[in-house]
Amino acid sequence: QKEVEQNSGPLSVPEGAIASLNCTYSDRGSQSFFWYRQYSGKSPELIMSIYSNGDKEDGRFTAQLNKASQYVSLLIRDSQPSDSATYLCAVTTSPRLGSARQLTFGSGTQLTVLP
Amino acid sequence: NAGVTQTPKFRILKIGQSMTLQCTQDMNHNYMYWYRQDPGMGLKLIYYSVGAGITDKGEVPNGYNVSRSTTEDFPLRLELAAPSQTSVYFCASRAGRRSGNTIYFGEGSWLTVV
Repeated sequence: QKEVEQNSGPLSVPEGAIASLNCTYSDRGSQSFFWYRQYSGKSPELIMSIYSNGDKEDGRFTAQLNKASQYVSLLIRDSQPSDSATYLCAVTTSPRLGSARQLTFGSGTQLTVLP
Repeated sequence: NAGVTQTPKFRILKIGQSMTLQCTQDMNHNYMYWYRQDPGMGLKLIYYSVGAGITDKGEVPNGYNVSRSTTEDFPLRLELAAPSQTSVYFCASRAGRRSGNTIYFGEGSWLTVV
């Protein structure tokens, strides 16, 4: 079973702090990694993608990937109340031998940024 | 640009009834997906399609059927609704590896089976 695991939270941080979200995955063949943000009652929206080991920064967001440890994380600097949402980690996996790669989601981490 | 459009947005079904969730995309994407999301959970893949005429099962296909007669449309059929199918359903699409891996989601369809 190809799995993606996240701490479900909830995670609470004060406004202006750094929020750290973590994700581990089991499929060593995974090549693409994504972080989605989902507000309550809304569809997921892509905020970061990362394909190579190391860090990738985009504004207040930094994604970190370590394929050897099968670990991907998301840092949110200067957290704002508007960042309060559920963050979903997604990883490309092959559900069955010979099938096309699909996007497997973790169960999400609920983040609350306190004013 | 409409993107991915799902209908209906809300539906209540009785046990044993059938219905079709409609999904249309206007981005000429090859890949289309149906996911379900139960409360407090991530998205589970039901079925996917890599192009017109080609579909395959995802992680949780039981109780559902799909078809892909055109590039634009990917309807999801529930034949005999069960309470376990109460969930939020998301349709999604992406262009393909060479044209971009970004997945675009529809706004979701809330289904309750009573």
